[in-house]
Amino acid sequence: ILNVEQSPQSLHVQEGDSTNFTCSFPSSNFYALHWYRWETAKSPEALFVMTLNGDEKKKGRISATLNTKEGYSYLYIKGSQPEDSATYLCAFGNNDMRFGAGTRLTVKP
Amino acid sequence: SQTIHQWPATLVQPVGSPLSLECTVEGTSNPNLYWYRQAAGRGLQLLFYSVGIGQISSEVPQNLSASRPQDRQFILSSKKLLLSDSGFYLCAWRHSTGELFFGEGSRLTVL
Repeated sequence: ILNVEQSPQSLHVQEGDSTNFTCSFPSSNFYALHWYRWETAKSPEALFVMTLNGDEKKKGRISATLNTKEGYSYLYIKGSQPEDSATYLCAFGNNDMRFGAGTRLTVKP
Repeated sequence: SQTIHQWPATLVQPVGSPLSLECTVEGTSNPNLYWYRQAAGRGLQLLFYSVGIGQISSEVPQNLSASRPQDRQFILSSKKLLLSDSGFYLCAWRHSTGELFFGEGSRLTVL
């Protein structure tokens, strides 16, 4: 069974702060790494699908990087806003997409 | 456009009773389909996935089972529920881009 680890487990930041989270995964037999945002009372929504070592993807104030050789991905949020408050999940695998436990972000106004 | 629906949204069942959660996808064909569970205070655990009709891969050898009787239908079942089966169940399908699209979720409470 492949283990996907995320850190930190939770994070509290002030509005306007920039922040980042880590996802680590087995570096062998890499296929894809996904990031999702899961807001309370909603379903998880995809942020990024990353497949190539060195990938950097950006969507607005959110960006992600990927290092498949060392088995980690970073998610960055620039200038956090209260609406960014959510649990951020990473998932790893091929057909069997396995999720980490998530990082719960709370942005205080 | 593609849509995914799962039901029921909430379910309260006694220990030992059966379970059936259903998920259907519209607007796509031969998608990969998934069942995940979030237990209290924990992340999303992969329970089952299917790459085609009748093809089920199981990740948890417990009292749950899954079936895919039609291309866009995925069913999660149990003959006898345990207290530990309580949780939030999510069905998902995989787009050609790779990303997963999730249903609305089913909250199961076993008493």
